[in-house]
Amino acid sequence: QVQLQESGPGLVKPSETLSLTCTVSGGSLSSSGYYWGWVRQPPGKGLEWLGSFSSGGRTYYSPSLETRITIPVDTSKNQFSLKLTSVTAADTAVYYCARHYCTGGNCYGLGGSWGQGTLVTVSS
Amino acid sequence: DIVMTQTPLSSPVTLGQPASISCRSSQSLEHSNGNTYLSWLQKRPGQPPRLLIYKISNRLSGVPDRFSGSGAGTDFTLKISRVEAEDVGVYYCVQATQFPYTFGQGTKLEIK
Repeated sequence: QVQLQESGPGLVKPSETLSLTCTVSGGSLSSSGYYWGWVRQPPGKGLEWLGSFSSGGRTYYSPSLETRITIPVDTSKNQFSLKLTSVTAADTAVYYCARHYCTGGNCYGLGGSWGQGTLVTVSS
Repeated sequence: DIVMTQTPLSSPVTLGQPASISCRSSQSLEHSNGNTYLSWLQKRPGQPPRLLIYKISNRLSGVPDRFSGSGAGTDFTLKISRVEAEDVGVYYCVQATQFPYTFGQGTKLEIK
């Protein structure tokens, strides 16, 4: 059973860079055919997809964030990260890392496994 | 981007009664490979989202059979045959047919 765990600062100052790490256990980022990604939920609001990448190296970002977001991957540590630059209060949210649900050689989108989530507050 | 619209946004239901949530997409979610990548997630406060149904109607292992999904093209429905107390939460439809993935606004299921 793959497990994911987010880690990183819970408080970030406006205009700075939000950096979170997702550590994967019980499974490998190098396993072919999987997608992994980030989702967030601002307080009192709905879920928002931020970006995903495939084990084959393709990465996709939300158009609303693509000038500010990157998702670096470190397969040697079995970790991937979220970096979001120039943050504002609107980036305050619970951030989740997740593995897409894949079965029978196909992937069907978000939700196969999730981290517990980590709250990041943007405030001076 | 594909816009996902859920109705209702709030659904008060009596325990043991059915509930139904509608999700409509701004364009067809049928992929060129013939699959329709429409999923339903349950979100309880303080917990990560939980995948209930994928590819319109396929329940994930461990999901009670009182949950069912249906639909095609642009119109989809999640039904709970008999609501139980543990079903309280917010339900989201999400499309994964094309990037960017997009969620519905969420439907809050609460007990009357």
